[in-house]
Amino acid sequence: SAVISQKPSRDICQRGTSLTIQCQVDSQVTMMFWYRQQPGQSLTLIATANQGSEATYESGFVIDKFPISRPNLTFSTLTVSNMSPEDSSIYLCSVEGDRGTEAFFGQGTRLTVV
Amino acid sequence: SQKIEQNSEALNIQEGKTATLTCNYTNYSPAYLQWYRQDPGRGPVFLLLIRENEKEKRKERLKVTFDTTLKQSLFHITASQPADSATYLCALYSGGYQKVTFGTGTKLQVIP
Repeated sequence: SAVISQKPSRDICQRGTSLTIQCQVDSQVTMMFWYRQQPGQSLTLIATANQGSEATYESGFVIDKFPISRPNLTFSTLTVSNMSPEDSSIYLCSVEGDRGTEAFFGQGTRLTVV
Repeated sequence: SQKIEQNSEALNIQEGKTATLTCNYTNYSPAYLQWYRQDPGRGPVFLLLIRENEKEKRKERLKVTFDTTLKQSLFHITASQPADSATYLCALYSGGYQKVTFGTGTKLQVIP
């Protein structure tokens, strides 16, 4: 299993500002995943972050809006840039288990943009 | 288009009864299907995985079935307890580069 520490757990931000979310894993992992969970909706994959290369973004998500860093095998950040109220959501980081058949999640960051 | 459907209405059951949650999918040929539990303010927690060639999987009070003909998975919690109250998500692994797609989840409320 993997233990993931994600912070901040919640934040209220002004429109037009940026927020960086940090994700720390207690073991080395190849891939880290960033999800968004809007109110009443399911988890939507934003991007996959590999150490040493640029993140791979899913359709509808772009690097300028959601820049990601992956400086080493245990840490990643997601920045939500130039925020608008539509960005209010829960953001989750995730890693795969050793067998690659289960996912472990951080506790999420609840973002409210006002 | 690909779609995963879970009952969006909350499921309320009496303590001690069996809860059954449904996950239907279209336009997928999943290699496996997962079930997760999510509590308010927390990330999802992995519960069970069932592969395409498996009909049923059990873990303690949990049972999952997988019917690739009906394109449906059923998730059962027997002898339900108030502590089982949570949102349950199904997720499909659709192959390729290990991308997992989640359903919207069903909220279960077990009434004492």
